[in-house]
Amino acid sequence: GQSLEQPSEVTAVEGAIVQINCTYQTSGFYGLSWYQQHDGGAPTFLSYNALDGLEETGRFSSFLSRSDSYGYLLLQELQMKDSASYFCAVSPNSGYALNFGKGTSLLVTP
Amino acid sequence: DGGITQSPKYLFRKEGQNVTLSCEQNLNHDAMYWYRQDPGQGLRLIYYSQIVNDFQKGDIAEGYSVSREKKESFPLTVTSAQKNPTAFYLCASSIEWDTGELFFGEGSRLTVL
Repeated sequence: GQSLEQPSEVTAVEGAIVQINCTYQTSGFYGLSWYQQHDGGAPTFLSYNALDGLEETGRFSSFLSRSDSYGYLLLQELQMKDSASYFCAVSPNSGYALNFGKGTSLLVTP
Repeated sequence: DGGITQSPKYLFRKEGQNVTLSCEQNLNHDAMYWYRQDPGQGLRLIYYSQIVNDFQKGDIAEGYSVSREKKESFPLTVTSAQKNPTAFYLCASSIEWDTGELFFGEGSRLTVL
């Protein structure tokens, strides 16, 4: 099975950089994904790491280290609209569907 | 525009009634999924389907049923056997099975009175 741990809440200032961590316990997986969800809305895909290392997409970057069972999402130049919940998720290689963590609520303050 | 359409957006049901949530996609995706989200919680998998006429139970399938008769459609029925059905239900699809990228609908919020 899979277990993913994320901080429940993070607060950061507009313009700053914030890192949201995700640690996991899983027997094996294809990759680690990140999703953003605004209140009452649909989750939207942000990034996917199939390999160890850093993936960069604009202001967002995601990192994976399989040896450390750890990944993170890095948000730069924070904007107020970045206030949302962020979920990490693993794609298990057992043929099962995407498994999500409980999410991190990010609050960006002026 | 391509996407996933869920209906209804809001639904109220009396205890003991079954209700069916619709999910339609025009993305030509093979795989479809149903997740349940409770306040402050992550997404929990109810059912998923890799291809037409095939579906598998997820972590919390009890009290739910699905069908996949067409590639575009994956309706979810919340039966009276589901003990705590009030939740936000999200349908998703993916172009293929082993991908980390899901496309989600806008969700259906079910409230049991």
